[in-house]
Amino acid sequence: KQEVTQIPAALSVPEGENLVLNCSFTDSAIYNLQWFRQDPGKGLTSLLLIQSSQREQTSGRLNASLDKSSGRSTLYIAASQPGDSATYLCAVTRGTGGFKTIFGAGTRLFVKA
Amino acid sequence: NAGVMQNPRHLVRRRGQEARLRCSPMKGHSHVYWYRQLPEEGLKFMVYLQKENIIDESGMPKERFSAEFPKEGPSILRIQQVVRGDSAAYFCASSPPGVQTLHFGNGTRLTVT
Repeated sequence: KQEVTQIPAALSVPEGENLVLNCSFTDSAIYNLQWFRQDPGKGLTSLLLIQSSQREQTSGRLNASLDKSSGRSTLYIAASQPGDSATYLCAVTRGTGGFKTIFGAGTRLFVKA
Repeated sequence: NAGVMQNPRHLVRRRGQEARLRCSPMKGHSHVYWYRQLPEEGLKFMVYLQKENIIDESGMPKERFSAEFPKEGPSILRIQQVVRGDSAAYFCASSPPGVQTLHFGNGTRLTVT
């Protein structure tokens, strides 16, 4: 059974700091891994999608890496801004037995101005 | 191209009533997923449907909950005889056939009084 864990659960940093959010998963037979952002009371916005054959994806100040063998992914946010404050969710889609996406509990990020 | 549309955005029901949550997937998407998010928790998978078929309902409670995705019209998540513990945000996501990238709606926030 796939389990997804995100560390830390919450993080508070000053503006401008570079930071890393961690995600680990127990079953390496994945189809892809996605990072989402969720603002309070809102839906989810997809940030980055990494296919199982890929090692990393980049979009602007965001970079996500994937290491299937160790069951880990990291989301790197460069030069953080107050507008980055949100909950970041890691989601893993299994690669066998049909598509099913499992989410971690998220990391709540607060960037102080 | 409209995104995933969920309605209503907010729903208040008394204990024992029925709740019906609707989800219209993005145009061209034939796969629909329902997730539940309790306060301060991540998203929990409930059910995965294709048109007229339930593919995976392993996350659905065995009683009172049902889901459908008819040939015409939106997907419906139905909760009968609601209880206070059903209070949560219910998110719908859709994906095109053969591509497991989830696009989320803004959710329906159910409050049971």
